[in-house]
Amino acid sequence: NAGVMQNPRHLVRRRGQEARLRCSPMKGHSHVYWYRQLPEEGLKFMVYLQKENIIDESGMPKERFSAEFPKEGPSILRIQQVVRGDSAAYFCASSPQTGVNTGELFFGEGSRLTVL
Amino acid sequence: TQLLEQSPQFLSIQEGENLTVYCNSSSVFSSLQWYRQEPGEGPVLLVTVVTGGEVKKLKRLTFQFGDARKDSSLHITAAQPGDTGLYLCAGPASGGSYIPTFGRGTSLIVHP
Repeated sequence: NAGVMQNPRHLVRRRGQEARLRCSPMKGHSHVYWYRQLPEEGLKFMVYLQKENIIDESGMPKERFSAEFPKEGPSILRIQQVVRGDSAAYFCASSPQTGVNTGELFFGEGSRLTVL
Repeated sequence: TQLLEQSPQFLSIQEGENLTVYCNSSSVFSSLQWYRQEPGEGPVLLVTVVTGGEVKKLKRLTFQFGDARKDSSLHITAAQPGDTGLYLCAGPASGGSYIPTFGRGTSLIVHP
């Protein structure tokens, strides 16, 4: 069974460029969460999606950030016009429907974004 | 403000020692998870506790959920270098969104 797959593992962008991070959830999981992690900080929630729907985006900045989880294909977190403060590890996690109420998440290995 | 407070923030011990790390909140949680994260990797789920007062064991790790479901502890017996990592507690707060919220973690180093 494949786990949560994220790519790229490492991404370097210059200020002003766009970053696209992809996440394929575990087989059978229809719920996807994106978190951001900075050194010395915990995981900060960004957005929660189900297929074709954004359920909760309260943790995602209103500008420059967007997320989608199309009917076919991976979930994508898109950061436009990146700034140095966007440098962080971005983690995707998935859960099955039964895991939604317990809060159990299965994480990918993360995408580490460095903005020069 | 952090919904889940973890302590200590850092812990450095010798192989064979015992240790306990804590996860505290002023909010009630319907369930609580513990994860371990190694450098360069994603968090890995260790356990879920659901019932107040519940105790779960995973080999040398013992997890306890407080009676009021506001706090939890993780005790490791005879720590080994392979236990090194960042231990995170997380959970969806009761009565609200089921979005799991995370503590900042306890960074554990076990020296051989």
